[in-house]
Amino acid sequence: GIQVEQSPPDLILQEGANSTLRCNFSDSVNNLQWFHQNPWGQLINLFYIPSGTKQNGRLSATTVATERYSLLYISSSQTTDSGVYFCAVEVYDMRFGAGTRLTVKP
Amino acid sequence: DAEITQSPRHKITETGRQVTLACHQTWNHNNMFWYRQDLGHGLRLIHYSYGVQDTNKGEVSDGYSVSRSNTEDLPLTLESAASSQTSVYFCASSPFSGNEQFFGPGTRLTVL
Repeated sequence: GIQVEQSPPDLILQEGANSTLRCNFSDSVNNLQWFHQNPWGQLINLFYIPSGTKQNGRLSATTVATERYSLLYISSSQTTDSGVYFCAVEVYDMRFGAGTRLTVKP
Repeated sequence: DAEITQSPRHKITETGRQVTLACHQTWNHNNMFWYRQDLGHGLRLIHYSYGVQDTNKGEVSDGYSVSRSNTEDLPLTLESAASSQTSVYFCASSPFSGNEQFFGPGTRLTVL
């Protein structure tokens, strides 16, 4: 099946810093989503981005489908950005990466 | 507002008991999914459905079953609960394959 690799596995930032999270996948996909799982366990949809670039406030994402990777950018990080960020891709079914655990310190 | 709900939110059961977790969505989405999330891992697909009377096995389907009798609901049944099925279970839905999936709040299941 398709392999989904996220990096880095853990990231610690000072409030106000910028960061880039990466998602590599091993095959062509029909769907790619980024999620934020907050400390209460809720999965929040960030981006539906099988290709191209999207922005939503301080967050943006870029997927280069031909090169099989996606990037999630977080600018001016806040403590509320803490949690785990998941990339998920769909070929025949949805496969999740293992996530990047982000900790933003005040 | 349209939404996806799961019940119960927390459940403790004993090994060998049958357990059913409910998932209900009001978006009229064709596709519904069940995932489990274990500590330190991403989500893994258990079963999914592309419409009424359609069900398919996912990556980790052993010990689980689903049925789809209407568009809104996809209950997940553990026929004989095992301690290895202690996990957080998420239900999701999407209009069609390749579309964005939306997730419910999760059910934390503990099997003693």
